[in-house]
Amino acid sequence: GESVGLHLPTLSVQEGDNSIINCAYSNSASDYFIWYKQESGKGPQFIIDIRSNMDKRQGQRVTVLLNKTVKHLSLQIAATQPGDSAVYFCAETAAGNKLTFGGGTRVLVKP
Amino acid sequence: DAGVTQSPTHLIKTRGQHVTLRCSPISGHKSVSWYQQVLGQGPQFIFQYYEKEERGRGNFPDRFSARQFPNYSSELNVNALLLGDSALYLCASSLGQKVNYGYTFGSGTRLTVV
Repeated sequence: GESVGLHLPTLSVQEGDNSIINCAYSNSASDYFIWYKQESGKGPQFIIDIRSNMDKRQGQRVTVLLNKTVKHLSLQIAATQPGDSAVYFCAETAAGNKLTFGGGTRVLVKP
Repeated sequence: DAGVTQSPTHLIKTRGQHVTLRCSPISGHKSVSWYQQVLGQGPQFIFQYYEKEERGRGNFPDRFSARQFPNYSSELNVNALLLGDSALYLCASSLGQKVNYGYTFGSGTRLTVV
C-alpha cells in the first residue's frame, strides 16, 4: 500500500564509498520506475529511470537495477560525495499518469 | 529556462480556513499534477490535469479540488482545513499526460495548519 512510517531508514556511508539503496514495490503491473533525490526544502529531483523491459540502466555515477521477479529496485551511487546527502525515493507507475512513491531512504555521507 | 514555479513557498492557516495554492508549469508543458508530502513520507498523488481537464484523482476527500487554466497554470484548493492537511504540496508538470514526458517537480508550498 501507500502508507509508510514516520521514521526514514538511514544509510550512513563514508565519502568515496559506493552506496546501495533498495526499494520494494507491490504493483506487478508497474512498467516504469524512477529514482528521485530530495534535499531539505526542495522538491524531488529526477536521478534516473528504467522501464520494465530493462534490468539495468546506468547514468553518471548512478546505476539502477530492476528485478521484476521479486519486485525489487535498487539504486547504486558510485564514489559517494557529500553532495549526495539527501532523501532518496523510488517511484513507480502502471497507469502512466501518476507516480506511487516508496517510503524513502536518508543517505548521510560522512567525510 | 524557468522550472516549475509554485506560490506561496510557505503558508500558515487556521483550522477550518480555506487555502489556494498555485503552480506554473514549465513553458510548453500541458500537464500539471499535484502531490501531498507529509513529513517523513513519500509524496502522494492528489490530482492530474491535462489540457485543462481532470485526468486522474487520488484518494483524497472532496475538500480538495483543483483546476487548470488556459495558460496551463493550475490551482489547488483545500476547504475546511484540518491539522492533518499540514504538509508540503508539490506540483509536477510534464509535456504529455504520461509521467515519462519530462515529469518535473517544483519546490513545493509548505502548508502549516494550526
